[in-house]
Amino acid sequence: EPEVTQTPSHQVTQMGQEVILRCVPISNHLYFYWYRQILGQKVEFLVSFYNNEISEKSEIFDDQFSVERPDGSNFTLKIRSTKLEDSAMYFCASSESWGPDTQYFGPGTRLTVL
Amino acid sequence: SQQGEEDPQALSIQEGENATMNCSYKTSINNLQWYRQNSGRGLVHLILIRSNEREKHSGRLRVTLDTSKKSSSLLITASRAADTASYFCAYMDTGRRALTFGSGTRLQVQP
Repeated sequence: EPEVTQTPSHQVTQMGQEVILRCVPISNHLYFYWYRQILGQKVEFLVSFYNNEISEKSEIFDDQFSVERPDGSNFTLKIRSTKLEDSAMYFCASSESWGPDTQYFGPGTRLTVL
Repeated sequence: SQQGEEDPQALSIQEGENATMNCSYKTSINNLQWYRQNSGRGLVHLILIRSNEREKHSGRLRVTLDTSKKSSSLLITASRAADTASYFCAYMDTGRRALTFGSGTRLQVQP
């Protein structure tokens, strides 16, 4: 069964450093998302992406964050200058269609900012 | 933004018993989805129920949706130790694509 994959599974970085989290969505899906889950808290929406542009973003997704689909398979989340409070599990998700549809999640990347 | 709330926060049952988890929300929704998360792992999609549906089944899972009460429930029948996990509801507001997640129910099934 097709699935969303994410790399790396765990990333440790120093405060102020840039990180890029990578995702490979399900191949025939057109809509892509990033969510995050700070330890012990709810899963929070960051951004949705379609047709090479952001379609929706949350208040969390400020200028420090950016997303990109650099080729036909990868979808990336970049954090320009990491802060301690960016430490969280980051989940990528994808869905097939624009309509209210199932979002399939990847296994997540645990980001630890020291 | 308004967040979904789930109850109970934690539930401990014996293998073979049924487990019921509830979710409430405050907005108008397109659909509501339930996910399972094993400790520190990814989110596994369980079932989606659309706003015009009242009940849906998938294997040992039964989901109900009451849009007048803005609530949903997930029933797991004949639970197994492998069902031990956190369960989250996530709803999609009308006109949006973002999922808003509930706070989750931690289910412990004792063998």
